[in-house]
Amino acid sequence: DAGVIQSPRHEVTEMGQEVTLRCKPISGHNSLFWYRQTMMRGLELLIYFNNNVPIDDSGMPEDRFSAKMPNASFSTLKIQPSEPRDSAVYFCASSPYGQGNTEAFFGQGTRLTVV
Amino acid sequence: AQKVTQAQTEISVVEKEDVTLDCVYETRDTTYYLFWYKQPPSGELVFLIRRNSFDEQNEISGRYSWNFQKSTSSFNFTITASQVVDSAVYFCALSGQVMNTGFQKLVFGTGTRLLVSP
Repeated sequence: DAGVIQSPRHEVTEMGQEVTLRCKPISGHNSLFWYRQTMMRGLELLIYFNNNVPIDDSGMPEDRFSAKMPNASFSTLKIQPSEPRDSAVYFCASSPYGQGNTEAFFGQGTRLTVV
Repeated sequence: AQKVTQAQTEISVVEKEDVTLDCVYETRDTTYYLFWYKQPPSGELVFLIRRNSFDEQNEISGRYSWNFQKSTSSFNFTITASQVVDSAVYFCALSGQVMNTGFQKLVFGTGTRLLVSP
């Protein structure tokens, strides 16, 4: 099993540019999560999809952030326009059912630096 | 709302010492799950354990053990005879209801950085 695959692993972009982060969940998992990790705020859940449908997007910081899951094997997190305060590690995780009765499997993360 | 508190920001020990990482949680759910994850210097998040709210038995896995006490809302993690490879950030997490959906999501604590020196 390849695990959760995120790309790119590192992204450096200039303020104002559009950034797209990608995630391929583990095959067969029906839940997908995007998290952001910063020193100040720790691990924050941004959005949660179940069966490709957004269940909870209350953690999405503002309208500059958007996430899609067009099919069960792919999701994107887009930031447009990016700002320096968006610099963080973004994790994607998947789970076979919700997150309650089974663990979430995390990708290796995308380290985003906005200069 | 659910909340997880890891009061210890950083702990330093010498190899072979035992160390306990504290986790206190808050929830109004009657059924919930607790988790521990490890984040080594390489950055990935590694699942360690899941425990449901109805099972208060302590669990031991090699040098790792977990003490779940519902009465004090705590789910502490002990590493016995620590090793340098145990150096990492450890996160405690709680599953919480996504309002009016029946789904649950993970709420993480702020993590405890463990440094084990030789």
